[in-house]
Amino acid sequence: NAGVTQTPKFQVLKTGQSMTLQCAQDMNHNSMYWYRQDPGMGLRLIYYSASEGTTDKGEVPNGYNVSRLNKREFSLRLESAAPSQTSVYFCASSEFRNEAFFGQGTRLTVV
Amino acid sequence: DQQVKQNSPSLSVQEGRISILNCDYTNSMFDYFLWYKKYPAEGPTFLISISSIKDKNEDGRFTVFLNKSAKHLSLHIVPSQPGDSAVYFCAAESTKRDDKIIFGKGTRLHILP
Repeated sequence: NAGVTQTPKFQVLKTGQSMTLQCAQDMNHNSMYWYRQDPGMGLRLIYYSASEGTTDKGEVPNGYNVSRLNKREFSLRLESAAPSQTSVYFCASSEFRNEAFFGQGTRLTVV
Repeated sequence: DQQVKQNSPSLSVQEGRISILNCDYTNSMFDYFLWYKKYPAEGPTFLISISSIKDKNEDGRFTVFLNKSAKHLSLHIVPSQPGDSAVYFCAAESTKRDDKIIFGKGTRLHILP
């Protein structure tokens, strides 16, 4: 059981470039999340999906878009990367009223 | 506006003693609370949770206490071990409204030999 798999693990982008962070879970969970972790800021929720076909904004959604492609996959897209989006990104999944399981993270640097 | 607050960025505790990590929340709709542990270069891992219908939950060396009237919860680790050195995140969700899990900023725990 792989749990939550994120790709890529590392990425360097130039300002203005676009990219998609991929996330897949094999636990048949309904809920999926994207967080970013910055020093001193903890984990901040970017977007959330309660089920296939639904998405909702979190605390810091500006500059990001998401797609819940199916029950397994939840992708995060940066249309025009900015240095302020340099961060570690975590995807997670959970079942209602249960703990969330996290991926290993994607370290993104925007130069 | 922070809904989940961990006001101590770091904490140092002697090995074998008790570690107490604190967390406050502002949203009275929160009814499920979780603690996560995170090592560098890894994803957070779930530690323990508590529903708002309880005031205490225990799992081995870890106990979480919830004081709803004060909107405060704490994580007790007894006895503290070197492997407990990590960043601890408090999190909360309102299961009646949605399933969004909101995290605090974390507390870095150092266990001293």
